[in-house]
Amino acid sequence: DSGVTQTPKHLITATGQRVTLRCSPRSGDLSVYWYQQSLDQGLQFLIQYYNGEERAKGNILERFSAQQFPDLHSELNLSSLELGDSALYFCASSPGGLAEAFFGQGTRLTVV
Amino acid sequence: GENVEQHPSTLSVQEGDSAVIKCTYSDSASNYFPWYKQELGKGPQLIIDIRSNVGEKKDQRIAVTLNKTAKHFSLHITETQPEDSAVYFCAAYNNNDMRFGAGTRLTVKP
Repeated sequence: DSGVTQTPKHLITATGQRVTLRCSPRSGDLSVYWYQQSLDQGLQFLIQYYNGEERAKGNILERFSAQQFPDLHSELNLSSLELGDSALYFCASSPGGLAEAFFGQGTRLTVV
Repeated sequence: GENVEQHPSTLSVQEGDSAVIKCTYSDSASNYFPWYKQELGKGPQLIIDIRSNVGEKKDQRIAVTLNKTAKHFSLHITETQPEDSAVYFCAAYNNNDMRFGAGTRLTVKP
């Protein structure tokens, strides 16, 4: 158990809908990363937050947004969903700075 | 931004043989290089990491080497076992930005 909790584990929704994925980082970790992993693909960096502020942005679509709350949990919002958004979405947390990141078990999103 | 390339994409070895996975990175400012193992249906798990002030690090059957001049680093697994079968990802970290390689699917045949 990495200490990073992601909910829900599975999500099935229709095209055009909006969903919210939630991540609770390890206790004390200030940094949260979001990654997308499509079938048999690598980990695509979406966005990173550090202590409530956006720190780095990767290949995140404009239809996607994220935030980190004062209690340090984070949410990834995906809207106007398309079939191609079906993927595993991982959250990782780290203390920040030069330190290892620990991954959650992921949320499997299926858009039908 | 940082760009990480990883090779090979698939690797098949016999149990007991060694496996080597190589990564290159583009940003010379990157200073932390973790390796992750992802088993089916699970999130990536950190297995070893190396910082830029070190050339080599070993943990039992796993070792990582770093060549900062050439901007490449490698994962070495010796005496491979079937349970080593998984997808392995390298990553390069710079200024709060961690980028991953595309992954290597390692299969260890008994």
